[in-house]
Amino acid sequence: DGGITQSPKYLFRKEGQNVTLSCEQNLNHDAMYWYRQDPGQGLRLIYYSQIVNDFQKGDIAEGYSVSREKKESFPLTVTSAQKNPTAFYLCASSHPGRGVSGNTIYFGEGSWLTVV
Amino acid sequence: AQSVAQPEDQVNVAEGNPLTVKCTYSVSGNPYLFWYVQYPNRGLQFLLKYITGDNLVKGSYGFEAEFNKSQTSFHLKKPSALVSDSALYFCAVRDRSGTASKLTFGTGTRLQVTL
Repeated sequence: DGGITQSPKYLFRKEGQNVTLSCEQNLNHDAMYWYRQDPGQGLRLIYYSQIVNDFQKGDIAEGYSVSREKKESFPLTVTSAQKNPTAFYLCASSHPGRGVSGNTIYFGEGSWLTVV
Repeated sequence: AQSVAQPEDQVNVAEGNPLTVKCTYSVSGNPYLFWYVQYPNRGLQFLLKYITGDNLVKGSYGFEAEFNKSQTSFHLKKPSALVSDSALYFCAVRDRSGTASKLTFGTGTRLQVTL
């Protein structure tokens, strides 16, 4: 089946640790995104990538890092510099470009990160 | 800067009654508008989008939304609610410039449908 796979579903991080969330898609989408979801705050964009080997900061990039070495993969590292990392993280993808397609973004099932 | 407002944190509806979830937006120029639904502990599922043309957009699961440019609104509607429609609903907007699909989301509205 085509889709976006995020792993792990649940992850626990100790203070001072870096952790990496995996995101893989087989939709042949060029653009990929990471969003953070906190209760009552909707979704906020962390990073996005329109093409392999290129990515841009979103609205809340501090304390996070990404890489885009392959079209299918866009892992997110939550570093120890992120002071409040407990949240639900959503990976997404879409076709890029302008025009009337509207570039619908499709989401994975999300990963819960908890600091212990 | 673009923004979305969902003025109701929660909407309560009896099964079989019509439902409306409100959304207003602010964006430069003409918008692309989207509705997504999220069930507990799951990702967001795409429901429908407005790109151009007919102001009434039909989507998945019997939902529809009406684009009103003068009121900058994009309210989600369904003629007859089901208990299984209970979920968190997000409205999102992006402008038509640029190549990146940077959606801005509202804070979400929880829909509770009761028997």
